[in-house]
Amino acid sequence: GAGVSQSPSNKVTEKGKDVELRCDPISGHTALYWYRQSLGQGLEFLIYFQGNSAPDKSGLPSDRFSAERTGGSVSTLTIQRTQQEDSAVYLCASSLLRDEAGGYEQYFGPGTRLTVT
Amino acid sequence: SQQGEEDPQALSIQEGENATMNCSYKTSINNLQWYRQNSGRGLVHLILIRSNEREKHSGRLRVTLDTSKKSSSLLITASRAADTASYFCATDEEGGGADGLTFGKGTHLIIQP
Repeated sequence: GAGVSQSPSNKVTEKGKDVELRCDPISGHTALYWYRQSLGQGLEFLIYFQGNSAPDKSGLPSDRFSAERTGGSVSTLTIQRTQQEDSAVYLCASSLLRDEAGGYEQYFGPGTRLTVT
Repeated sequence: SQQGEEDPQALSIQEGENATMNCSYKTSINNLQWYRQNSGRGLVHLILIRSNEREKHSGRLRVTLDTSKKSSSLLITASRAADTASYFCATDEEGGGADGLTFGKGTHLIIQP
């Protein structure tokens, strides 16, 4: 079946511009996650959606970052007034809904490589 | 600071040898997961081990978990050139802390043909 898809695969933008990244999760996966990976680093957790709601937005790096999810499916991550330090690969993942026992394995998309010049 | 810390940061071995990577973490967890990443893009889930499990196998992979030492190891037996990748451990923290996984910086594994 189809995996997690992300678009665009690459994005080059000028400093100060807004960008919108899209994630299409696996059908039936209620949980959706956004991560950021800087060059040679591990993944930094940004935000988690349970259905359409994000219980905790504290992982977002600054108020220039926002994310939404509609219809329990597609999610968009928006970065306003981009800065050079925003350059990274942005990865989206989806999984079955977390329960009291914790989470499940996450399925990752191929990522969007964002370069801010 | 990073929850998961992999050790070593880089590992180069000959094809056919076994590769062992270690991971240490700081908090109580629900489960620990290992992922592989090729070419700096999407991650592939390898194995999940829950906090009440001590060892788990999947094909050529063997994962151990020691919650008393807050550590895990990933063993890849009979390595192949295709195993060349970065390997990350990730923890699912207990108690509703971070809702996402907390990743280490990874071990870059190179299998020499």
